[in-house]
Amino acid sequence: EPEVTQTPSHQVTQMGQEVILRCVPISNHLYFYWYRQILGQKVEFLVSFYNNEISEKSEIFDDQFSVERPDGSNFTLKIRSTKLEDSAMYFCASTVRGYNEQFFGPGTRLTVL
Amino acid sequence: KNEVEQSPQNLTAQEGEFITINCSYSVGISALHWLQQHPGGGIVSLFMLSSGKKKHGRLIATINIQEKHSSLHITASHPRDSAVYICAEYKAAGNKLTFGGGTRVLVKP
Repeated sequence: EPEVTQTPSHQVTQMGQEVILRCVPISNHLYFYWYRQILGQKVEFLVSFYNNEISEKSEIFDDQFSVERPDGSNFTLKIRSTKLEDSAMYFCASTVRGYNEQFFGPGTRLTVL
Repeated sequence: KNEVEQSPQNLTAQEGEFITINCSYSVGISALHWLQQHPGGGIVSLFMLSSGKKKHGRLIATINIQEKHSSLHITASHPRDSAVYICAEYKAAGNKLTFGGGTRVLVKP
């Protein structure tokens, strides 16, 4: 069964460093999302992406964040200069159409020291 | 203000018991999702519904559009049902899911 994959599973970085989190959505899906979950808190929406552009972003998704679909299969989230408060689990999700069931990747745990 | 509210926050049941989790959501949604988050952190979609009722195995999800309320029921609960259950509203206008805080369910043998 097709699944969303994410790499790495765990990333440890120093404050101020750039990180790139990678996702491979399900191949025929058209809508892509990044969410994050700080330990012990609820899942929060970061950004949605459709037709090679951002369709919606939250207030969390500031200028330090960017997304890209560089090659038609990968979907990446870049954090330019990480802060301690960026430590969280980051989930990628994809779906065929926006209102359909979303399929989540296993997540990347980001730890900023 | 969180637009998606779940109750209870925590629930402990004995194996075999019937479990109900409630969710209240805001106006103007396109669909309501129920998700399961395992202790390891992975998130699995259980249901997506915009009206009526859906059933999958021992899980049943219902939605009342007029009252902006949805319920997730687990019949004949089993220890493997222990997880966090999350409801999330989808609004097409924003193309995003807004999540509730989750209900932590523990089913004891």
